[in-house]
Amino acid sequence: NAGVTQTPKFQVLKTGQSMTLQCAQDMNHNSMYWYRQDPGMGLRLIYYSASEGTTDKGEVPNGYNVSRLNKREFSLRLESAAPSQTSVYFCASTLTARGVNTEAFFGQGTRLTVV
Amino acid sequence: AQSVTQPDIHITVSEGASLELRCNYSYGATPYLFWYVQSPGQGLQLLLKYFSGDTLVQGIKGFEAEFKRSQSSFNLRKPSVHWSDAAEYFCAIYTGTASKLTFGTGTRLQVTL
Repeated sequence: NAGVTQTPKFQVLKTGQSMTLQCAQDMNHNSMYWYRQDPGMGLRLIYYSASEGTTDKGEVPNGYNVSRLNKREFSLRLESAAPSQTSVYFCASTLTARGVNTEAFFGQGTRLTVV
Repeated sequence: AQSVTQPDIHITVSEGASLELRCNYSYGATPYLFWYVQSPGQGLQLLLKYFSGDTLVQGIKGFEAEFKRSQSSFNLRKPSVHWSDAAEYFCAIYTGTASKLTFGTGTRLQVTL
């Protein structure tokens, strides 16, 4: 049981390049999240998806787009990368059923550097 | 809006000493609360969670946390810290209606031998 899988693990981009971070979960969870982690700032929510076909902005959505392709997959796209987007990105998922949700399960992270 | 505050950015304790990490939340109803731990270069691991019921919850690695509604707090405790507990600790809040999981800024724990 793989849990939450993120790809790639590391990436270096030049300013202005685009890329998509992939995330997939095999736990039949309905909610999925993208966070960025920067020193001293904890995990900040970029976007989340409460169910297939829905997405909502988090705290820091500017410069990012997301797609909830199906129940398993939730991708994060940087259309024109900027040095300020250098960070570690985490994908997570939870299950909400009858008003109760599980804890979040996290991927191993993607370390992105924009030069 | 929901939020969590971890007032201590960095804490140093001696091995064998007790530990308390603070977490305060802001939410009108009863939230779901979590504590996660992150070792350097690693992902996040769940330590414990509070959904309802008993306000003192036990977690892994000997950690516990107490939910205090009157103080809007969910502090993490451990009676005797081990050197391997050195890591960063995050408190998080989930409000089911918003389906949004929000984290605090974290507390970095250093353990001296």
